[in-house]
Amino acid sequence: SQQGEEDPQALSIQEGENATMNCSYKTSINNLQWYRQNSGRGLVHLILIRSNEREKHSGRLRVTLDTSKKSSSLLITASRAADTASYFCATDYPGTYKYIFGTGTRLKVLA
Amino acid sequence: SAVISQKPSRDICQRGTSLTIQCQVDSQVTMMFWYRQQPGQSLTLIATANQGSEATYESGFVIDKFPISRPNLTFSTLTVSNMSPEDSSIYLCSVGTSGTYTGELFFGEGSRLTVL
Repeated sequence: SQQGEEDPQALSIQEGENATMNCSYKTSINNLQWYRQNSGRGLVHLILIRSNEREKHSGRLRVTLDTSKKSSSLLITASRAADTASYFCATDYPGTYKYIFGTGTRLKVLA
Repeated sequence: SAVISQKPSRDICQRGTSLTIQCQVDSQVTMMFWYRQQPGQSLTLIATANQGSEATYESGFVIDKFPISRPNLTFSTLTVSNMSPEDSSIYLCSVGTSGTYTGELFFGEGSRLTVL
């Protein structure tokens, strides 16, 4: 299936440290997105990166995309306790409007 | 952006019954999607709901089990039929707001279903 694999599955860090999550996918894409989910609630969009982009920044977030390796990474710098959440990558099927979500990384930031 | 309201936010249901989940959007959108998130898992796409046409279901999901209505551009319902404990999940409505261009998705808060 298209579903992305994320690693690590779980990550625990101290406040102020950086957190890096990785996403790998299987087929070609147009776009890749990252979402955050707090404790079983709805998902919040963080950032979208297109297949012709290699890096994108938004505040403390940095996303990279390597289409040759079919992988992306999300870096959260200077993490805060409020960043504690599950993070998902989502990739689209080219030619469709559907997004398929990765397995997710559970991030815990300790105060 | 889009604001999505889902009802109910949570429910506890008996095996064999059916429950309809409503999704209301504050603006007209072309694409609506229904996802399921089983406990501790990622999101799985159930179907794409387009106004005026039959929903398109993903592999493993069928209309008899998950009938969907999309009567207009701001509303959709998902029914979970003949429920079993395996249907206990969070069901999420999602919309894309960019017409034919695939952009970010907006999500409702989800409907948490527990089937006894």
